[in-house]
Amino acid sequence: QMVESGGGLVQPGGSLRLSCSGSGFTFSNYDMHWVRQTTGKGLEWVSAIGSAGDPYYRPSVKGRFTISRENAKNSLHLQMSSLRDGDTAVYYCARSAVNWNDGFDVWGQGTTVTVS
Amino acid sequence: ELTQPPSVSVSPGQTVGLTCSGPDLGERSVCWYRQRPGQPPTLVIYRDDKRPSGIPERFSGSNSGNTATLTISGTQALDEADYYCQAWDINNVVVFGGGTKLTVL
Repeated sequence: QMVESGGGLVQPGGSLRLSCSGSGFTFSNYDMHWVRQTTGKGLEWVSAIGSAGDPYYRPSVKGRFTISRENAKNSLHLQMSSLRDGDTAVYYCARSAVNWNDGFDVWGQGTTVTVS
Repeated sequence: ELTQPPSVSVSPGQTVGLTCSGPDLGERSVCWYRQRPGQPPTLVIYRDDKRPSGIPERFSGSNSGNTATLTISGTQALDEADYYCQAWDINNVVVFGGGTKLTVL
């Protein structure tokens, strides 16, 4: 399973660090992702990090968000800065195999970020 | 870039197809997720037509041309949920469809 933490209320322009803790699987064998969902809206992929640490971002967060992982601690992080109203959402961590075509097969319960 | 109908209704026991459209979607690998209220999404189809363990056989998928379809046979009340398709765009960014709310009535 995976458990997110770190969400909260932050002012526009502020920063927040999300974390995700994985258990019950070999964390280092999987690519890890952040996916967000605004209230009553759909899903939006935010960022990913490969098992070796290679990062990927959607264009709207590149330069503002930084994804990282600590395999020894089974942890995933998302450092968010210069936050905007549009970043308000529930943020889920999700795992995928190295081949992303296999989909996101395990998701956390989500942590809520409110920018206001 | 991936277009899904906002809502679809089906009667219990019937078969329903949920569509997802996008340019040359058939050339990309498509996944489908089910999301019940207050819950995170659950993967129900990957690589167009593969079912993860634990997903009932009545869930099936296909993908050709510009349209991918998730078919639910013998629809049950517990299938009522939001369903999202997911693929890649030309910039190798993961994209989701806007979701379809499936109502079983």
